[in-house]
Amino acid sequence: GAGVSQSPSNKVTEKGKDVELRCDPISGHTALYWYRQSLGQGLEFLIYFQGNSAPDKSGLPSDRFSAERTGGSVSTLTIQRTQQEDSAVYLCASSLSRGRGNIQYFGAGTRLSVL
Amino acid sequence: AQKITQTQPGMFVQEKEAVTLDCTYDTSDPSYGLFWYKQPSSGEMIFLIYQGSYDQQNATEGRYSLNFQKARKSANLVISASQLGDSAMYFCAMREPYNNDMRFGAGTRLTVKP
Repeated sequence: GAGVSQSPSNKVTEKGKDVELRCDPISGHTALYWYRQSLGQGLEFLIYFQGNSAPDKSGLPSDRFSAERTGGSVSTLTIQRTQQEDSAVYLCASSLSRGRGNIQYFGAGTRLSVL
Repeated sequence: AQKITQTQPGMFVQEKEAVTLDCTYDTSDPSYGLFWYKQPSSGEMIFLIYQGSYDQQNATEGRYSLNFQKARKSANLVISASQLGDSAMYFCAMREPYNNDMRFGAGTRLTVKP
């Protein structure tokens, strides 16, 4: 399809393990965002990529979280030594560029459960 | 401080009636964008409507319209002729020009009754 694709859709892991979440943005979109949505909450910004610029990591909650974007396209969010409080839905979005009017289109998310 | 406030955790509406979902925002920047998203139980965030702070007219997209009251910092979503498929969470969001992220409200859960 032409939308934002995220995988896996669900991930169950044990506390202390590392996980990788993948996001494939809409083709041609230069901006990519990761958000976290805890149960019944709004979205919390994590990290932003724009083209070849240095990412904005200001929303990452701890140094256990990292993300990269290879070739200006696919992005991977990695959570090391997962904790139970990391359980949430992780949403990825992309937009054509950065401007205020640029609409962010979201994927269906990865639901992470840390046991 | 909260940037986006949605004061209605849950709303009910009868099918075919109109409903207004409230959203107020806080910014000192004159240039900003306001967005509404729908999140059905499947989890995907679906873009509904956009309003720019300098736009003179209220935005409309089909059955969705945005009641933009700039002086009151209010951006309410109006859904006309509600359908059962409109039952979902609705999020208001704001984008300021010097922030890379979009700030979201806590959401309103809309239930459409047959």
